Amino acid sequence: EAGVTQFPSHSVIEKGQTVTLRCDPISGHDNLYWYRRVMGKEIKFLLHFVKESKQDESGMPNNRFLAERTGGTYSTLKVQPAELEDSGVYFCASSQDIYPSGRLSYNEQFFGPGTRLTVL
Amino acid sequence: AQSVTQLGSHVSVSEGALVLLRCNYSSSVPPYLFWYVQYPNQGLQLLLKYTTGATLVKGINGFEAEFKKSETSFHLTKPSAHMSDAAEYFCAVNFFGGNEKLTFGTGTRLTIIP
Repeated sequence: EAGVTQFPSHSVIEKGQTVTLRCDPISGHDNLYWYRRVMGKEIKFLLHFVKESKQDESGMPNNRFLAERTGGTYSTLKVQPAELEDSGVYFCASSQDIYPSGRLSYNEQFFGPGTRLTVL
Repeated sequence: AQSVTQLGSHVSVSEGALVLLRCNYSSSVPPYLFWYVQYPNQGLQLLLKYTTGATLVKGINGFEAEFKKSETSFHLTKPSAHMSDAAEYFCAVNFFGGNEKLTFGTGTRLTIIP
């Protein structure tokens, strides 16, 4: 079974440019998460899709970030325009859905290799 | 607010020595706890997890962790370090269960001294 894949593995762009990151979750996983690690800091949650719907986007830093998951399959994360502070590693994770969701259950998130974004 | 703390951003141990990586969390309700490892140029891999039941959990590559509710800790240990253990280790917590997000610690980079 293929794992979570991310493309590209590395991206170097100039400040002000646009970059689009892609994540392909494990087949059949309804939950898809984006996380980011800025250098030296912790891995931080950005947002969570359930199928094509945004379940939680409380971690999105600002409106320069746009995430989509058309058709509930792969997801893209667009940064436009990119700023220096956007540099970091962007991780995608996926998990099966849990029924019923709540404190008595948990999911296991499977992570992709990450995309290292450098904004110059 | 819920948080995860990993003490020591860098830890060095000699090959064959005990590995101890610390993780504490803040929550009034026992959460779900995970340790992930990132080897150079690779993604995050799940080492082990605590959900319910036995508080001492065993993971891959000889690692284990013990959930101590009274100390709100989930420290990771390995009796004898191997050169291949050199990596970055992340403690992560699902505070709310279900499909909720993970909250991570800042990570600990483990170096093994030959």
